Amino acid sequence: EPEVTQTPSHQVTQMGQEVILRCVPISNHLYFYWYRQILGQKVEFLVSFYNNEISEKSEIFDDQFSVERPDGSNFTLKIRSTKLEDSAMYFCASSVSTESGNTIYFGEGSWLTVV
Amino acid sequence: AQKVTQAQTEISVVEKEDVTLDCVYETRDTTYYLFWYKQPPSGELVFLIRRNSFDEQNEISGRYSWNFQKSTSSFNFTITASQVVDSAVYFCALSRWGGDYKLSFGAGTTVTVRA
Repeated sequence: EPEVTQTPSHQVTQMGQEVILRCVPISNHLYFYWYRQILGQKVEFLVSFYNNEISEKSEIFDDQFSVERPDGSNFTLKIRSTKLEDSAMYFCASSVSTESGNTIYFGEGSWLTVV
Repeated sequence: AQKVTQAQTEISVVEKEDVTLDCVYETRDTTYYLFWYKQPPSGELVFLIRRNSFDEQNEISGRYSWNFQKSTSSFNFTITASQVVDSAVYFCALSRWGGDYKLSFGAGTTVTVRA
């Protein structure tokens, strides 16, 4: 069964460093997303991406964050200068709209710890 | 604005008991999607079900069943004859119909099934 894959699964980084989280969405999907889950809290929307541009972003997604689809398969989230409060699980997701509807599938997540 | 409320923070049951998880949502949209996701201790988000707002039929999948009542804006989830492997956090989520299908998650309900 097709799945969303994310790398790395875990990353520890120093405060102020840049981090890039990588995702390979399901191949025929057209919508791509990043979500975040701080430990013990609910899953929060960060950004959606469609047709090579951001379609919506949340208040969390400030100028420190950026997304890119550098080629036909990868979808990346970059945090320019990490802060302690960026420590969280980051989920990539993808979806495609079909006649029966639209289902969003998530990757296994990337744990980011900022120290 | 869209909002999902899962009033139950934690539920603990003994194996083979039934568990019902409540989900109440708010939206101004007339058409929308509702979802349930499972997050086991390993951390990934596993898709369980999508329900379209115009389809009020209840659904059963093995030991899982869902009760969608548009009149009360509820989408409850029942696990019948629970097993230890059902121990997880369960999230209810809501998305618009169309656009970028951004998900709004509830806070989640932690289910612990004791042997």
